Amino acid sequence: GQNIDQPTEMTATEGAIVQINCTYQTSGFNGLFWYQQHAGEAPTFLSYNVLDGLEEKGRFSSFLSRSKGYSYLLLKELQMKDSASYLCAGMDSNYQLIWGAGTKLIIKP
Amino acid sequence: GAVVSQHPSRVICKSGTSVKIECRSLDFQATTMFWYRQFPKQSLMLMATSNEGSKATYEQGVEKDKFLINHASLTLSTLTVTSAHPEDSSFYICSARDGGEVNGYTFGSGTRLTVV
Repeated sequence: GQNIDQPTEMTATEGAIVQINCTYQTSGFNGLFWYQQHAGEAPTFLSYNVLDGLEEKGRFSSFLSRSKGYSYLLLKELQMKDSASYLCAGMDSNYQLIWGAGTKLIIKP
Repeated sequence: GAVVSQHPSRVICKSGTSVKIECRSLDFQATTMFWYRQFPKQSLMLMATSNEGSKATYEQGVEKDKFLINHASLTLSTLTVTSAHPEDSSFYICSARDGGEVNGYTFGSGTRLTVV
């Protein structure tokens, strides 16, 4: 079956670095997405990886290892506004997104 | 970038009534539209996939006669919750795929439905 696993909740300190891990099992693979979702709002796109390696975009970076079925989202120089849920989603062979339950990130001053 | 406009953002209705939610792709043609439901503190649950001009494909457990989806044009898809009940209260989000891009999944702003 298809499955996405990520931690339920993480806590980090303002200004620090946090890594949110995600493991995936999909029928076929057409990429791995990370979305940010603030409470009561729709998700917003953060990153897309389809090749192995690290993609850096400002304070956010995303890593993919296809052989390990593993990805992580790295957030640097954390700000209070980064408090949100981070959703990992794998795209299967039918280009359908399989969603993880999301990781709630709590930033403390 | 691609924009999906979703209306209404919030709606409160009485049990037994129907509610229509609209999603419009503003600057691209959405050949495929996805409808999700999200309960508090849970992830997105795909309800159905609609393709312009054809019947929607519903996920297992989603009643197609209760959640009517119409995708009559390349820029508009609607979800109608018929005979709503309190357990239908949820956050409904649409997502459109810009057919020209693999990673072109754009979300609407969501609709908070409360059935009283």
